[in-house]
Amino acid sequence: QKEVEQDPGPLSVPEGAIVSLNCTYSNSAFQYFMWYRQYSRKGPELLMYTYSSGNKEDGRFTAQVDKSSKYISLFIRDSQPSDSATYLCASGSRLTFGEGTQLTVNP
Amino acid sequence: DAGVTQSPTHLIKTRGQQVTLRCSPKSGHDTVSWYQQALGQGPQFIFQYYEEEERQRGNFPDRFSGHQFPNYSSELNVNALLLGDSALYLCASRRGGDTQYFGPGTRLTVL
Repeated sequence: QKEVEQDPGPLSVPEGAIVSLNCTYSNSAFQYFMWYRQYSRKGPELLMYTYSSGNKEDGRFTAQVDKSSKYISLFIRDSQPSDSATYLCASGSRLTFGEGTQLTVNP
Repeated sequence: DAGVTQSPTHLIKTRGQQVTLRCSPKSGHDTVSWYQQALGQGPQFIFQYYEEEERQRGNFPDRFSGHQFPNYSSELNVNALLLGDSALYLCASRRGGDTQYFGPGTRLTVL
């Protein structure tokens, strides 16, 4: 079993939609959770960083962590075509990544 | 403030050859990690360097080796290249326990 699992998609939504991206993890030692955004042929860019259960909001983005169920989510409100990218969840000091979910927001 | 930089951008090698990739960390960062990202996959941890020593290593063979210099920059060396080594190689840096910031990567193609 992979330590971090993520539905690879692809996910296609219309502009303005609310997007929900999800990951599960199996390692109870994981304390910190990150979401990275990766545009095609670029390096991952840190989007959100959380270390506790609950919600963290940053503009149109909300990261949610439920440690009891080992479930992490990223919500994007009012999605824009510029949000089209691959979204990667990660955890651990040496970063164990999920497979990434490819998102396309259609104008 | 320059972020993490990597060179070269692209590289083409043939099987059996050796390759060296380079990374300069973000200003103020002292820890450098290397990741391999195959097409359509998430990055996989190769190893991490701090104070010029390898501190952690992922599940990669000894063909993968590295070095960190006193100015915190780092190199990744891969010997006896295989077709399966074709990937995007990412360098990430951080300061202490802070989050990691990634460079743009070096795309390696092995023919």
